[in-house]
Amino acid sequence: EAEVAQSPRYKITEKSQAVAFWCDPISGHATLYWYRQILGQGPELLVQFQDESVVDDSQLPKDRFSAERLKGVDSTLKIQPAELGDSAMYLCASSTRTSLNTGELFFGEGSRLTVL
Amino acid sequence: GENVEQHPSTLSVQEGDSAVIKCTYSDSASNYFPWYKQELGKGPQLIIDIRSNVGEKKDQRIAVTLNKTAKHFSLHITETQPEDSAVYFCAANSGGYQKVTFGTGTKLQVIP
Repeated sequence: EAEVAQSPRYKITEKSQAVAFWCDPISGHATLYWYRQILGQGPELLVQFQDESVVDDSQLPKDRFSAERLKGVDSTLKIQPAELGDSAMYLCASSTRTSLNTGELFFGEGSRLTVL
Repeated sequence: GENVEQHPSTLSVQEGDSAVIKCTYSDSASNYFPWYKQELGKGPQLIIDIRSNVGEKKDQRIAVTLNKTAKHFSLHITETQPEDSAVYFCAANSGGYQKVTFGTGTKLQVIP
């Protein structure tokens, strides 16, 4: 069964350092999402891609976060510099959804970030 | 934007009993309402969904109801089993690019 791959699974870093997360969606899924999940809360959308284009990054803290999906396949989420409040699970999801239809999001297992 | 509220935050039931989780949403344009189950250390997984033109949907022991007028929807799990223990999230889908907004989650514990 096809899965969304994420790495690293765990990352511990000191504040002010840079950190990057990688996601490889299910093959053929045009839509890719990065969510942040703080412990005990629901996932919060950071950025949504349709192919290689960003269609929603309204909740992305752009002064320190960046995301790219250059060839419309895998994606990288970067934080620089990391702050204590960035400690969370970063979830990647993919879907065949478009602006015209809904559908299931397939999540990876997430990357857990701890900022010291 | 859409705001999804979910309650209760924690729920403990005896094995075999029923569990009900309730959510409300704010955007009347929302048209799709999925429910996800998240087990420890894993990403959320879709368990059931309902579209705005349907009032109720059932899949074995799981059912979801939708009241568009009141803007609330509920998850019902009957004959609960220990493997149902997990965190459950409701979500609502809205916007031009079908943005999915999640609730805050309900931690369900089924006591054997």
